[in-house]
Amino acid sequence: NAGVTQTPKFRVLKTGQSMTLLCAQDMNHEYMYWYRQDPGMGLRLIHYSVGEGTTAKGEVPDGYNVSRLKKQNFLLGLESAAPSQTSVYFCASRYTSGKVSYEQYFGPGTRLTVT
Amino acid sequence: QQPVQSPQAVILREGEDAVINCSSSKALYSVHWYRQKHGEAPVFLMILLKGGEQKGHDKISASFNEKKQQSSLYLTASQLSYSGTYFCGTEMSNAGNMLTFGGGTRLMVKP
Repeated sequence: NAGVTQTPKFRVLKTGQSMTLLCAQDMNHEYMYWYRQDPGMGLRLIHYSVGEGTTAKGEVPDGYNVSRLKKQNFLLGLESAAPSQTSVYFCASRYTSGKVSYEQYFGPGTRLTVT
Repeated sequence: QQPVQSPQAVILREGEDAVINCSSSKALYSVHWYRQKHGEAPVFLMILLKGGEQKGHDKISASFNEKKQQSSLYLTASQLSYSGTYFCGTEMSNAGNMLTFGGGTRLMVKP
């Protein structure tokens, strides 16, 4: 099992450019998440999905869009990149079942720089 | 609302103990603990559930005080490999939708 993978690992964008980050998981998890982590800071939730075809806003959704067309994939889009979106982006997935809480599995991250 | 972690940073010598706290102003269903090494993804350590028992993994254990809405992570006889940033993630309900992470505690273990 590859677990959670992210593409690309690094990217440099100019202000105003657009791009899509891809997250894929092979664990058949229902829940998937996109976080951003700024230097020396914690993880902030951008958007998440509780199943194929569903998405919801997290703490910092402005400037980002997401789609979950297939259960195993969760895409994060930046329509018009801004320097404030320079960050490391982590994707995570999670199994869910009834009243039990399960851990999140994180991908390796995508380091994005917007100049 | 983001949980508050304390201390923000701690430096230890090998073999010393440390406690990291995570506090919330709201009632919690669960608290997750993760460790992140520089340049890497966070790695899961343990989950504390409301009404659950104290957890342990090797020389790292944690507790959850429901009355105070506070969780503590205990690192005993620290090793060099314990260095990293520790994050707590809190969950308000068993809906399982989302975790809210604290700002992190940087732990450095020196020889």
